[in-house]
Amino acid sequence: QKEVEQDPGPLSVPEGAIVSLNCTYSNSAFQYFMWYRQYSRKGPELLMYTYSSGNKEDGRFTAQVDKSSKYISLFIRDSQPSDSATYLCAMSPDDKIIFGKGTRLHILP
Amino acid sequence: EAQVTQNPRYLITVTGKKLTVTCSQNMNHEYMSWYRQDPGLGLRQIYYSMNVEVTDKGDVPEGYKVSRKEKRNFPLILESPSPNQTSLYFCASKNRNLRVEYFGPGTRLTVT
Repeated sequence: QKEVEQDPGPLSVPEGAIVSLNCTYSNSAFQYFMWYRQYSRKGPELLMYTYSSGNKEDGRFTAQVDKSSKYISLFIRDSQPSDSATYLCAMSPDDKIIFGKGTRLHILP
Repeated sequence: EAQVTQNPRYLITVTGKKLTVTCSQNMNHEYMSWYRQDPGLGLRQIYYSMNVEVTDKGDVPEGYKVSRKEKRNFPLILESPSPNQTSLYFCASKNRNLRVEYFGPGTRLTVT
């Protein structure tokens, strides 16, 4: 079983819809959880960061962590065409960060 | 502006011709790393450095070298590039006390 699993997509949703992106993991030592957004031909940029179970909200974005199920989610409300990108989950037990392979998201105008 | 910079951004070279990709950060981060990103394989760590003069292998170190003589710089060296090293390369850095890495803009390398 891979340490971090993430559906590659692509995921296409209409503008204004709520988007749900997910990752599962197998290592219970993971304590820190991140979501990165990567536009085409750009480096990944940090969106959300959390180190506990529960929800964390930042504008239209909500990160959710369920350590008991080893499952993390990113919700995007009122999705915009500018949200079209690849979203990578990432998690870490210590200094090393393990990345998911990314989900490609297309928001259709 | 806090950032990680890489040069060059694009590079086309031939098999066996040594090359260096530079990476520099202005955030005084102790930790720096190099990744390659390939379709279907995601981000894979090549080498990392916990501090000056301290480097260690990541998941895919074969064919690469690094050095960390100064805190802000972490060059990636390909002594004898091969076509299977054609990829998109990212440098990243982070503060030792945080788990979040900050990425450079990427270097697209093509080896023919």
